[in-house]
Amino acid sequence: DTAVSQTPKYLVTQMGNDKSIKCEQNLGHDTMYWYKQDSKKFLKIMFSYNNKELIINETVPNRFSPKSPDKAHLNLHINSLELGDSAVYFCASSQGTRSGNIQYFGAGTRLSVL
Amino acid sequence: TQLLEQSPQFLSIQEGENLTVYCNSSSVFSSLQWYRQEPGEGPVLLVTVVTGGEVKKLKRLTFQFGDARKDSSLHITAAQPGDTGLYLCAGGSQGNLIFGKGTKLSVKP
Repeated sequence: DTAVSQTPKYLVTQMGNDKSIKCEQNLGHDTMYWYKQDSKKFLKIMFSYNNKELIINETVPNRFSPKSPDKAHLNLHINSLELGDSAVYFCASSQGTRSGNIQYFGAGTRLSVL
Repeated sequence: TQLLEQSPQFLSIQEGENLTVYCNSSSVFSSLQWYRQEPGEGPVLLVTVVTGGEVKKLKRLTFQFGDARKDSSLHITAAQPGDTGLYLCAGGSQGNLIFGKGTKLSVKP
């Protein structure tokens, strides 16, 4: 069983569209994250949720709206997609919010905006 | 803004060689983690160091956290093709992880 699973793995779409990426973890963790990895492999935190509550929002445009229906899920909805949104998006989870805790990453969603 | 600088950015070596990857910052971190990422996959944690001067070994990999908790190194002895991947360091601060830009290692047979 995959610990952190993201769907879809690949997403190709036109500029201006709205899309969602789903993430689920079966590790029983209480904290989930979304990261963006650009073409140069730089990985940057976007959001962090603990027990369904937003705790980190790193100056991400408000076109990006995370939603956590329960502790095991953290979905990412993106409105009005732009070319610069093309990247690989990773979901991760951990137990607790301490930065030294182990984070488990999903396999990523490669988003291409044309 | 806290930044982690990794060097070298790219490293291509022959099987059996030794190598060291560096992760440096002007900021103090409460912990430092090293991850390895393979193509098409997410990063996987290798080690966490939390104490200044700490050294941890994982088979042929040796990790060191600087005394001032501002830098770290990863040394691989007798590299093997299976070590090929992107190595990322990440500093822990205030519940957040700050990632370096990674070192892409290629080990040729």
